[in-house]
Amino acid sequence: DTAVSQTPKYLVTQMGNDKSIKCEQNLGHDTMYWYKQDSKKFLKIMFSYNNKELIINETVPNRFSPKSPDKAHLNLHINSLELGDSAVYFCASSQGTLVEGGDEQFFGPGTRLTVL
Amino acid sequence: GQSLEQPSEVTAVEGAIVQINCTYQTSGFYGLSWYQQHDGGAPTFLSYNGLDGLEETGRFSSFLSRSDSYGYLLLQELQMKDSASYFCAGHDNYGQNFVFGPGTRLSVLP
Repeated sequence: DTAVSQTPKYLVTQMGNDKSIKCEQNLGHDTMYWYKQDSKKFLKIMFSYNNKELIINETVPNRFSPKSPDKAHLNLHINSLELGDSAVYFCASSQGTLVEGGDEQFFGPGTRLTVL
Repeated sequence: GQSLEQPSEVTAVEGAIVQINCTYQTSGFYGLSWYQQHDGGAPTFLSYNGLDGLEETGRFSSFLSRSDSYGYLLLQELQMKDSASYFCAGHDNYGQNFVFGPGTRLSVLP
């Protein structure tokens, strides 16, 4: 059984398009995250939700909007895609927030986004 | 804010022991975690140090010294499958400013 799943695995699209990445976890965790990993392998947190509430919102362009319909799902919608958005996006989950055992996070397989 | 520093690359031979260091500069530092990532894969959690000292999990151990703003990951009895990138990560006391280090690429040679 997949613990944290993301769809799609690959996403190739044109500049200016709008796209979404979906994430689901079946671990019963309360906290979910979105990360961006660039071509140099730098991992950067973008957002974190705890029980559907936004708790971490890093300096990310407004074109990125997370949505958590329930605590098992955290989707990422990106408007007006730019070349610089090309990266691998990882979803992750943890039992609690970062100060409540959230340092042990379970990552999804990643979505490789390529903007042409 | 937070920043963490790691060596970019480390090379060792099978069966050896290797130490990957992580130094941090932050205010209100909470603890240090370690993740492993194979090429094309997702990060996987290895270890967490919330207190000073050594945490051991099988062949892997992690150490933290808050007074020195320093931690390390120790890998023993290296195997070829340990070739991967290793990231340290930390955040402040409020669960904010969560930052990953730049990663250390470990190459294990036969």
